Formats: sequence, C-alpha cells, structure tokens
Amino acid sequence: SQQGEEDPQALSIQEGENATMNCSYKTSINNLQWYRQNSGRGLVHLILIRSNEREKHSGRLRVTLDTSKKSSSLLITASRAADTASYFCATVPQNRDDKIIFGKGTRLHILP
Amino acid sequence: EAQVTQNPRYLITVTGKKLTVTCSQNMNHEYMSWYRQDPGLGLRQIYYSMNVEVTDKGDVPEGYKVSRKEKRNFPLILESPSPNQTSLYFCASSYGQDRSYEQYFGPGTRLTVT
Repeated sequence: SQQGEEDPQALSIQEGENATMNCSYKTSINNLQWYRQNSGRGLVHLILIRSNEREKHSGRLRVTLDTSKKSSSLLITASRAADTASYFCATVPQNRDDKIIFGKGTRLHILP
Repeated sequence: EAQVTQNPRYLITVTGKKLTVTCSQNMNHEYMSWYRQDPGLGLRQIYYSMNVEVTDKGDVPEGYKVSRKEKRNFPLILESPSPNQTSLYFCASSYGQDRSYEQYFGPGTRLTVT
C-alpha cells in the first residue's frame, strides 16, 4: 500500500458514537498531519503530531502515533452530524527530498 | 483574516488553450504547494516551493508549470491543457521551509478540459 494509507475507506456510525480512523505509512517521518474535507471544499487542518510525540488532543479529537508500527490513528469522540466529512492523513518524510504524501482518505458518515 | 485564495473557482476550457490558476496567501508563509484531487486517487502534489524563486516537482508535475516571483503568490500554469488534467486543484501554504507545520488550503479550483 502507498504511504499515508487510511483505513477504513468508509465508516458509518450513529451520532454520539466514537469514530476511529487509521493511517499507515512506510518511511521515517518528520510529522504526520490529519485534515478534514467537507464535500468538494478545501482541506482543514485538524492535528499535527511530530515523530517524537505519541499522543495529541484537540477538543473531541485524539491522535496517536506509533513510529515502530508506522501507523497513526484519529479518534473522534461523541460524534456529531457536523463531523460527516472525509478525513485524510498526510505524512511528511524526514528526508527533505521525499514528497509529502496524502492518503486516499476515510469517508465518515454520521447517522442521526 | 488569514487565508489562501484561488482564482478562478470554476473553469471550463478546451484542449490546448493555455490557462493560469492564481494562488495567493496573506500569512507570509515560505512554503507553498499545488495539489490535484481525483476520485479514488486522493491528493497528489504537483509542484511546491520552499521560498521565492525556489520551486520543485511533486509527484505529478507533467503538463504543469509554476513560478514564485513573490512570496505571497504561486500561480499554476497549464500551457496546453488536456482532458486528463480535468480535476479539482488545491493550493496550500505553510510556515517555514522544513514542512514542520500544518498546511492552509485554498477553497479549490474545479477545472474541466474538453
């Protein structure tokens, strides 16, 4: 799989439940970033986690990073209808000559 | 308000007719980048710039040109557009030159080449 691969591709949950999305990557990273995109609109930055960090929080969002497994997860707690969107991870390689890689995203749908 | 602007937002053109999509940021960011987004392929980087007069190829640079004459502007040029360049394009910027900070994205430009 390519660097910055999200899993699952799509997720439907009931409002109020927690949503977890995962991102796997292949090379050593400087940092990993999570973004949200509402249909056809620009991406909005959610959380950036650096390679020496293991967990970060922002409101209802929690991001973890496991560099030994080359993976990250995004947890959205107490989901709301407004959380319906696509979520992308972007990996920024340590090697400055390597490109930033975005995954294909997870489409999250919150059911009322 | 801190923002990245792109123009035009929508464009329908014909094969071979040169076009430019403008991108401007008001945050004094060093790093700027262009991406295209296609269904099933996610976002792919076209070109990026670490600073004025410094540009470099991303993953899919073929058929595109860029320039960075001023810090705030980073136009994307399609010299001879083809239908396979029909896509949703995003410009982004971030602080610094080492990609250690989050990117701010523009609203997107939907391009159709017939």
